[in-house]
Formats: sequence, C-alpha cells, structure tokens
Amino acid sequence: EAEVAQSPRYKITEKSQAVAFWCDPISGHATLYWYRQILGQGPELLVQFQDESVVDDSQLPKDRFSAERLKGVDSTLKIQPAELGDSAMYLCASSLTARHPSRRGGELFFGEGSRLTVL
Amino acid sequence: AQSVTQLGSHVSVSEGALVLLRCNYSSSVPPYLFWYVQYPNQGLQLLLKYTSAATLVKGINGFEAEFKKSETSFHLTKPSAHMRDAAEYFCAVSVGSGGSNYKLTFGKGTLLTVNP
Repeated sequence: EAEVAQSPRYKITEKSQAVAFWCDPISGHATLYWYRQILGQGPELLVQFQDESVVDDSQLPKDRFSAERLKGVDSTLKIQPAELGDSAMYLCASSLTARHPSRRGGELFFGEGSRLTVL
Repeated sequence: AQSVTQLGSHVSVSEGALVLLRCNYSSSVPPYLFWYVQYPNQGLQLLLKYTSAATLVKGINGFEAEFKKSETSFHLTKPSAHMRDAAEYFCAVSVGSGGSNYKLTFGKGTLLTVNP
C-alpha cells in the first residue's frame, strides 16, 4: 500500500541550529501539506502546496521556517534557527487532487511524522 | 471562523463498554466534519467524514458519528471498545467545497484508554 514517507522520524537538536525534514508523498498526489502538532494539541497547517506552488502559507513563521517542493514531488521543510518552542511533531500529508477533503480524491493521507526536540 | 471543541482530553473505558467521544463545532456555514485517529508515534488516519449526505455516518473499525445541527455536535461512538481502539482521536472541520485553498481545523484531541 502506498504511503507518505517522512524522514527523519526523530531529530534532537540544540537551539539556534538548523534542521530539515523531508517528505515524499504518495506517487501521483498533486497536493502536499505540512502540519505541526505540538504535544497535547491538534495538528495545525503550516503550508499547502499544489504541485510546486504554495497555495497557503499564512501560518508558516517565515522568519525561521521555509518550505519548498521544487519539482512538485517531494518536499523539504526547514527551520533555521530552531527555538525551544519548535519542539513538536511535523506531519506531512498528501492528497490526489486539491479538491475539498470531503470529496473523492481530496482525502488527506498522513505520514508517520518527524518528531523534533529542541534542547 | 470555523472551530471544533473536543470535550474531555482523556476518556477511559473498560473493554466491551460504550465509547463516546464528544465534539462540538462552530461554523457560520454548513460544515464538513471529520474524525481522525492517531496511534502512538504514527500519522493520522481518517475514521469517517460528514458531508451532508446523511446525518449518521459509519466509519472504519466499527465507529460511527451523528451530526446534530441543533446541538452543533458530531460525537463519535462505538458500541463495544476493544483494546486496539486505544489511541488519540481528533475531530476536524472544514468549510467550503470550491477552489483549492481550504483548511482542516483540528480539535485538541481526546486520548482514549481502554482497560482490560
């Protein structure tokens, strides 16, 4: 069964260091999402891509976070410099199309996440 | 603005007992509602979704949820809990069905513990 692949699964870093997460969506999925899940809270959307274009990055802290999906396939989320408050699970999700998640083809499939701990 | 509130951050039931996880929504337009499950150290998996086709929605693993507009609720239930149901459950809402820019807004989650 096709899955959304993420790496690394776990990352421990010191504050002020740079960190990067990688996501490979299900083959053929045009829409890719990065969510942040702080312990004890629900996921919060950071950025949404349609192919290689950013559709929504309104909640992305652009002073330290960046995301790219250069060829419209895999994606990288970078944090530089990392802060203590960035400790969280970073979830990647993909969907076949940009249709609403309630519609056929719009369902989100999530990866297992990358857990970041900033010391 | 759309939002969901999950009542109870932690619910504990005995194996075989009824599971009831509560979710109330706030939306100025007809909402689309979802329940997701997250097992430890894994991503989220869709359990079921409400799209206005029917108020009682059946999902995977024996779960179902009923949309009640008068109560602005979308509670998740399962008649008989299994040990494998132990996980965190998230209610989510999205509005609109057009365009390509929409958001799933998640609740804070409810951790379900099943006791033998």
